[in-house]
Amino acid sequence: GDSVTQMEGPVTLSEEAFLTINCTYTATGYPSLFWYVQYPGEGLQLLLKATKADDKGSNKGFEATYRKETTSFHLEKGSVQVSDSAVYFCALRTSTGANSKLTFGKGITLSVRP
Amino acid sequence: NAGVTQTPKFQVLKTGQSMTLQCAQDMNHEYMSWYRQDPGMGLRLIHYSVGAGITDQGEVPNGYNVSRSTTEDFPLRLLSAAPSQTSVYFCASSYSGGRGELFFGEGSRLTVL
Repeated sequence: GDSVTQMEGPVTLSEEAFLTINCTYTATGYPSLFWYVQYPGEGLQLLLKATKADDKGSNKGFEATYRKETTSFHLEKGSVQVSDSAVYFCALRTSTGANSKLTFGKGITLSVRP
Repeated sequence: NAGVTQTPKFQVLKTGQSMTLQCAQDMNHEYMSWYRQDPGMGLRLIHYSVGAGITDQGEVPNGYNVSRSTTEDFPLRLLSAAPSQTSVYFCASSYSGGRGELFFGEGSRLTVL
């Protein structure tokens, strides 16, 4: 079945540091890939997405590239801010008709200190 | 824009009690689903629906019931609450099953004593 593996957390960084959060996946077919973010006390928001190989999703300074050859979708940001402190989830969704569910990784908590 | 609306936001139950978590969306989405979020487990799918009158089980359906009588509403029923159902519940919707993004509600935190 489909699965998503995220690097273990939590991650603590200083403001303006470079961020990489690793995500790899296993899927049948051709999935869409997503990064969702959950700020403290809130629901999940879509951060970025990519729907086919070599697509790059980007939003709020975050980027991730759909790498089919390595089955990866790593999240990067060049300079993190305190306001980026949140839980980040990698997810995939395959087009298999009625069973087209979103499969999540376990999430990773990012804390950014001033 | 209302989007996906969940009620209640917080609820405390005693073991054995029943209750319904409400979910409504105003985006005319065909696909709706319920997830639970537990520490270290990510989000796990409970039930989903691809349209009015159609529901199916996800990964962790035991102890939960759903129905879909309208496109807008997708309530989740706990038949006899257990402490293991203490969790944060999220409702999510999207256009018909495919590879598009899901839109999430703000969550309902349930504690079962």
